[in-house]
Amino acid sequence: QQQVKQSPQSLIVQKGGISIINCAYENTAFDYFPWYQQFPGKGPALLIAIRPDVSEKKEGRFTISFNKSAKQFSLHIMDSQPGDSATYFCAASNNQGGKLIFGQGTELSVKP
Amino acid sequence: DAMVIQNPRYQVTQFGKPVTLSCSQTLNHNVMYWYQQKSSQAPKLLFHYYDKDFNNEADTPDNFQSRRPNTSFCFLDIRSPGLGDAAMYLCATSGWANTEAFFGQGTRLTVV
Repeated sequence: QQQVKQSPQSLIVQKGGISIINCAYENTAFDYFPWYQQFPGKGPALLIAIRPDVSEKKEGRFTISFNKSAKQFSLHIMDSQPGDSATYFCAASNNQGGKLIFGQGTELSVKP
Repeated sequence: DAMVIQNPRYQVTQFGKPVTLSCSQTLNHNVMYWYQQKSSQAPKLLFHYYDKDFNNEADTPDNFQSRRPNTSFCFLDIRSPGLGDAAMYLCATSGWANTEAFFGQGTRLTVV
């Protein structure tokens, strides 16, 4: 009930391409879905987040698509850059506890 | 300006020797979290505080304890570190349930 499943585990994209990372959740009580970016040796940093009352949210090159009926959400990185190379985690939480449940992470490598 | 500060950034301890990691925040957030992150894995929640209300995860070993003497500070105590406790320990804060969590830079613990 508490799991968040993330795929792919690793992703290689050419500079300028689109990176797509997918997540699926089970607990229908989740109502906050953030994406975190983590560079080696650093703590995770919030990239973008969505709540289930909208199906899409865009901030710059980053877009979250949310499908409530399928219990899935995804991160799209447009015009991917080498500086985007990092590990990306999706997460979910609910207001009954607030604690973040993380996906397994995706290691993104953007090749010049 | 750093908002969630963890000290030290790197800690080496001997097998079985108690160790304390510290976290401070300048955000005046009610909620503070401790996560354990092993190499190439997602952060795993150990426990969290709502103000002074302590919430332990069911699978957090008894070897891990925490103290929150005031709003700004939180400590992670590992009573008898084992080799399997070597990891990055992440502190995070949020204003309340289900809102953005801010992470510190982490403390990388090595057990020798």
